[in-house]
Amino acid sequence: EPEVTQTPSHQVTQMGQEVILRCVPISNHLYFYWYRQILGQKVEFLVSFYNNEISEKSEIFDDQFSVERPDGSNFTLKIRSTKLEDSAMYFCASSFDLAGVEETQYFGPGTRLLVL
Amino acid sequence: SQQGEEDPQALSIQEGENATMNCSYKTSINNLQWYRQNSGRGLVHLILIRSNEREKHSGRLRVTLDTSKKSSSLLITASRAADTASYFCATDEGTYKYIFGTGTRLKVLA
Repeated sequence: EPEVTQTPSHQVTQMGQEVILRCVPISNHLYFYWYRQILGQKVEFLVSFYNNEISEKSEIFDDQFSVERPDGSNFTLKIRSTKLEDSAMYFCASSFDLAGVEETQYFGPGTRLLVL
Repeated sequence: SQQGEEDPQALSIQEGENATMNCSYKTSINNLQWYRQNSGRGLVHLILIRSNEREKHSGRLRVTLDTSKKSSSLLITASRAADTASYFCATDEGTYKYIFGTGTRLKVLA
């Protein structure tokens, strides 16, 4: 069964450093998302992406964040200058096949980011 | 309460019993999804129910949706120890972003 994959599974970085989290969505999906979950808290929407542009973003997704689909398979989240409060599990998700009827969002296993 | 609030926050039952979790939301939705998360792991999709559906089944799972009350319930029948996890509802708010609730932590005792 197709699945969303994410790399790395864990990332430790120093405050102020840039990190890039990578995702490979399900191949025939058209919509891509990033969510985050701070330890012990609820899953929070960050951004949705369709047709090579951001569809929606939350107030969390400020100028320090950016997303990109650099090629036909990868979808990345970049945090330019990490803060301690960026420590969280980051989930990528994808939805909608070419027929446009699959609304289910399928999530990847997540990248646990720790900012020191 | 916020969009997608589950109750109870925690539930502990014996193996073989049924577990019921509830979710309430505030705004109109196109659909509602239930996810499971094992501790520290990814989100596994369980069921999507559309706003024009009232009930949906998948194996031992039964989901109901009452749009007039803006609520949904997830029933797990004949629970197993492997069902121990956190369960979240997520609502779409009419857009493609999903708002997750705080989750119900289910513990099934063997």
